[in-house]
Amino acid sequence: AQSVTQLDSHVSVSEGTPVLLRCNYSSSYSPSLFWYVQHPNKGLQLLLKYTSAATLVKGINGFEAEFKKSETSFHLTKPSAHMSDAAEYFCVVRFGGATNKLIFGTGTLLAVQP
Amino acid sequence: AAGVIQSPRHLIKEKRETATLKCYPIPRHDTVYWYQQGPGQDPQFLISFYEKMQSDKGSIPDRFSAQQFSDYHSELNMSSLELGDSALYFCASSLGGRNTIYFGEGSWLTVV
Repeated sequence: AQSVTQLDSHVSVSEGTPVLLRCNYSSSYSPSLFWYVQHPNKGLQLLLKYTSAATLVKGINGFEAEFKKSETSFHLTKPSAHMSDAAEYFCVVRFGGATNKLIFGTGTLLAVQP
Repeated sequence: AAGVIQSPRHLIKEKRETATLKCYPIPRHDTVYWYQQGPGQDPQFLISFYEKMQSDKGSIPDRFSAQQFSDYHSELNMSSLELGDSALYFCASSLGGRNTIYFGEGSWLTVV
């Protein structure tokens, strides 16, 4: 079965410390992987995407993610959290084959403490 | 750069009424997706269209219908509204089915 799992529903970090948001997927196809961010009462903004090019992907606002096929993971990281990073983050997968729809993870709510 | 435009941004309807949400994709994008996000939920895929034809179908209730028009904009029609239909409805678009999908700001539907 094709699925995406975000391992943490809530993550809390202090401002200036590293951020790690974890995502694993299962698929028999080669997936395209995305991270979207949703600020309160806002739409979904694309942070970064992996589409079978470089395994280390750099996105906006200092975020990056590494695709590890052997671990079926696509964890999102940032070296130093900022207060404005507080939001909900969705790991999203588009599997190959006949379908082109996105499958969302359940989201990780990131809190940044001063 | 132009983004995905959704209208209306907010809509309040009573139970059993009908609502229509509109989505205008990024220019030259030929694929449109609809998602529903309930309070505290992750977005759930409803339906998608490619070149004006339905390309994929998710958990869209029979009370809902959608179409993509010749100018590639799409409309989501929701009838016999229920309280549980209250949600944020996202439209997204892409160029073809394998490129990056960009989301609109969403349309808030409240059913009272």
